[in-house]
Amino acid sequence: RKEVEQDPGPFNVPEGATVAFNCTYSNSASQSFFWYRQDCRKEPKLLMSVYSSGNEDGRFTAQLNRASQYISLLIRDSKLSDSATYLCVVATGFQKLVFGTGTRLLVSP
Amino acid sequence: DVKVTQSSRYLVKRTGEKVFLECVQDMDHENMFWYRQDPGLGLRLIYFSYDVKMKEKGDIPEGYSVSREKKERFSLILESASTNQTSMYLCASSDPGTSGINEQFFGPGTRLTVL
Repeated sequence: RKEVEQDPGPFNVPEGATVAFNCTYSNSASQSFFWYRQDCRKEPKLLMSVYSSGNEDGRFTAQLNRASQYISLLIRDSKLSDSATYLCVVATGFQKLVFGTGTRLLVSP
Repeated sequence: DVKVTQSSRYLVKRTGEKVFLECVQDMDHENMFWYRQDPGLGLRLIYFSYDVKMKEKGDIPEGYSVSREKKERFSLILESASTNQTSMYLCASSDPGTSGINEQFFGPGTRLTVL
């Protein structure tokens, strides 16, 4: 079983739609959680950290459920520029990150 | 603005060659990492370093070694390149800070093809 599992997609949505991605992790001792974004042929970049209380950054909302070992990302009012691969990332130890394989999002006009 | 640079964007080598991939960061970060990224497998950690001359094995260290002689530079070495090492190689750096796990900043990647 992979440490971090994501639906690879692609998710095809029209502009303005709301889309949600989910991720599960297997290590109950995981300490920190993140969503990274990776554009085609580019390097990953931090999108947002994920906290137990949930957090929001503009159109993006992240949630963590430690009991179910489940992380989510909600994108509201999708833009064309949101097209990318979204990587679920879990920190399992000293500065060490484990990456999911990513969920691809395609936003169309 | 943090900048992580890698010596080459594209590299083509032959089986058995010794390959050096160089990474430099300009933000005085203590931690540096080497990953490879393959379709369907995501990013996998090869080696990381939390200080000069210190190194730790990641999840897939076999066939690789690293060197960190200066804080800003972290090199990945393929002692004898093989075709299964054809991949995208990504370097990253981070600062441990005081609040735990901090953001990793990535370089643009080196696409290595081993023929």
